[in-house]
Amino acid sequence: EPEVTQTPSHQVTQMGQEVILRCVPISNHLYFYWYRQILGQKVEFLVSFYNNEISEKSEIFDDQFSVERPDGSNFTLKIRSTKLEDSAMYFCAGRTSGSHEQYFGPGTRLTVT
Amino acid sequence: QKEVEQNSGPLSVPEGAIASLNCTYSDRGSQSFFWYRQYSGKSPELIMSIYSNGDKEDGRFTAQLNKASQYVSLLIRDSQPSDSATYLCAVNSPGGYQKVTFGTGTKLQVIP
Repeated sequence: EPEVTQTPSHQVTQMGQEVILRCVPISNHLYFYWYRQILGQKVEFLVSFYNNEISEKSEIFDDQFSVERPDGSNFTLKIRSTKLEDSAMYFCAGRTSGSHEQYFGPGTRLTVT
Repeated sequence: QKEVEQNSGPLSVPEGAIASLNCTYSDRGSQSFFWYRQYSGKSPELIMSIYSNGDKEDGRFTAQLNKASQYVSLLIRDSQPSDSATYLCAVNSPGGYQKVTFGTGTKLQVIP
């Protein structure tokens, strides 16, 4: 059964550095999402992406964040200048056009020091 | 602010018992409702989805939806220690792109 994959599984970076988190969605998924979960808190929506465009974003998704699908498979989340409060698990998710069910990748744990 | 509310628990049940998890939501326009299971340090795993009022059964899991009361529940029959996890209630936003809003989750502990 196909699965969403994410790399790296754990990223440690210094405050102010740029990070790129990568996701390979399931091939028949057309809608893509990034969520984050700060330790001990709930899963929060960051951004949705469809047809190579951002379709919706939350207040968290400020100018420091960007997403793109550089080729037909990868889907990336970039944080330009990381802050301590960006430390969290970041999950990529996707769904098909015919379903409302979102399937999550294993996540990337981002630690900003 | 659209909210999804859950009791954080922990909910402790003995092995073999029925675990009952509850959730309320604030957006009356929501049409799709999900239960995810999340083990510590892992990603949310979809276990049930429900779209219409009533019950939906899948194996040991039954999801129940009451849109008039804005209430969703999950029953786990014959609970096993491997069911010990945090259960996340999630509700979609109506519209084309359907972001999902999560509750804080209920931690379930199944005691052998």
